[in-house]
Amino acid sequence: DAKTTQPPSMDCAEGRAANLPCNHSTISGNEYVYWYRQIHSQGPQYIIHGLKNNETNEMASLIITEDRKSSTLILPHATLRDTAVYYCIVRVSSGSARQLTFGSGTQLTVLP
Amino acid sequence: DTEVTQTPKHLVMGMTNKKSLKCEQHMGHRAMYWYKQKAKKPPELMFVYSYEKLSINESVPSRFSPECPNSSLLNLHLHALQPEDSALYLCASSHKDREPYNEQFFGPGTRLTVL
Repeated sequence: DAKTTQPPSMDCAEGRAANLPCNHSTISGNEYVYWYRQIHSQGPQYIIHGLKNNETNEMASLIITEDRKSSTLILPHATLRDTAVYYCIVRVSSGSARQLTFGSGTQLTVLP
Repeated sequence: DTEVTQTPKHLVMGMTNKKSLKCEQHMGHRAMYWYKQKAKKPPELMFVYSYEKLSINESVPSRFSPECPNSSLLNLHLHALQPEDSALYLCASSHKDREPYNEQFFGPGTRLTVL
């Protein structure tokens, strides 16, 4: 699996957009970008995933650069409940049950 | 029901005790996972079960013994643990027959303390 690099921490003002970057310069053509988050003392939660097109769901948007070497997770209107560690994971998409390899992630703190 | 439940929430055990962690899901997922998470670290995979058969063991010491008695239930049996095994133990499950394959649903975890 491709290695990912994320900043260790970021702050964001409540109500503003939070933009979390991830570098995955060694990503392969069949690898997807997945984002999870883990709120303190809870299990991780799936947010969104994408291959090469931008994706949006009710939680967030995922912007993947054309060369696929980096991506940005966007929380359009951050709230205090979005304070969490955000993990960017690169993985092939397969019906075989495989592990998720979590990196260090980004601690996002949403400030009032 | 889109929930993974884990019991107990907290567990304190001595190094000579035998205990078990339980995980349950009723989403029809045929892949289930155990992860271990130390404080301020990311989760690390321990075991993967696929169709109730162990498919991945990440070189976990034998004092941890997983069991998948049916498609909804996953257990982790603990025996002769060490204090360094104190951690949050997370269970997860996922589909094997449709996208997104890597969407894993996590339980809230069991906070284990070994004295």
